Amino acid sequence: KAGVTQTPRYLIKTRGQQVTLSCSPISGHRSVSWYQQTPGQGLQFLFEYFSETQRNKGNFPGRFSGRQFSNSRSEMNVSTLELGDSALYLCASSPAGSGKDGYTFGSGTRLTVV
Amino acid sequence: AQSVSQHNHHVILSEAASLELGCNYSYGGTVNLFWYVQYPGQHLQLLLKYFSGDPLVKGIKGFEAEFIKSKFSFNLRKPSVQWSDTAEYFCAVNGNAAGNKLTFGGGTRVLVKP
Repeated sequence: KAGVTQTPRYLIKTRGQQVTLSCSPISGHRSVSWYQQTPGQGLQFLFEYFSETQRNKGNFPGRFSGRQFSNSRSEMNVSTLELGDSALYLCASSPAGSGKDGYTFGSGTRLTVV
Repeated sequence: AQSVSQHNHHVILSEAASLELGCNYSYGGTVNLFWYVQYPGQHLQLLLKYFSGDPLVKGIKGFEAEFIKSKFSFNLRKPSVQWSDTAEYFCAVNGNAAGNKLTFGGGTRVLVKP
């Protein structure tokens, strides 16, 4: 059973650019969540998608957005990149999003903004 | 708002020693509780979870955790650690009403000396 796949693994972008990250959940999982991990702020929730709808959103500016497709694959987009957006972005999937599921995390996309 | 506090940022111990990592949370309703582990260079993995029933839960690799509702705590324990337990450990909370929105503690880095 394939795990959660995130692409690309590494990205280097310039300040002001935009970036799109991709996440393919485990087959059959309908909930996809995104997290940002940094040394200073730790793991912070960005948003969650379930059945193509954003169900929860964290405290991030509107430059951070996402979407989910009918096959449950998800993308997140960050526009007008800032140096502080450098982080490891993690995607997690769970079967039905009941809150009691164990979430399976991907290996992440490491974004460096220069 | 949910919050999670992990008391120790760094723990150093020798093989065969016992490990206990503290976790306290703040949330007004029913919660689902998780411990995740991140081994060096690897993705987050679920160690164990609690959402109801017996407050002592057993997870993988010999870990267990005890939910004490009156203390808002969910401490992780292992009676005898191995060098391979060197990792960062994260406590996380998901309020039942929050869908899939994990709030993580700041993490505890555990170094087990051979």
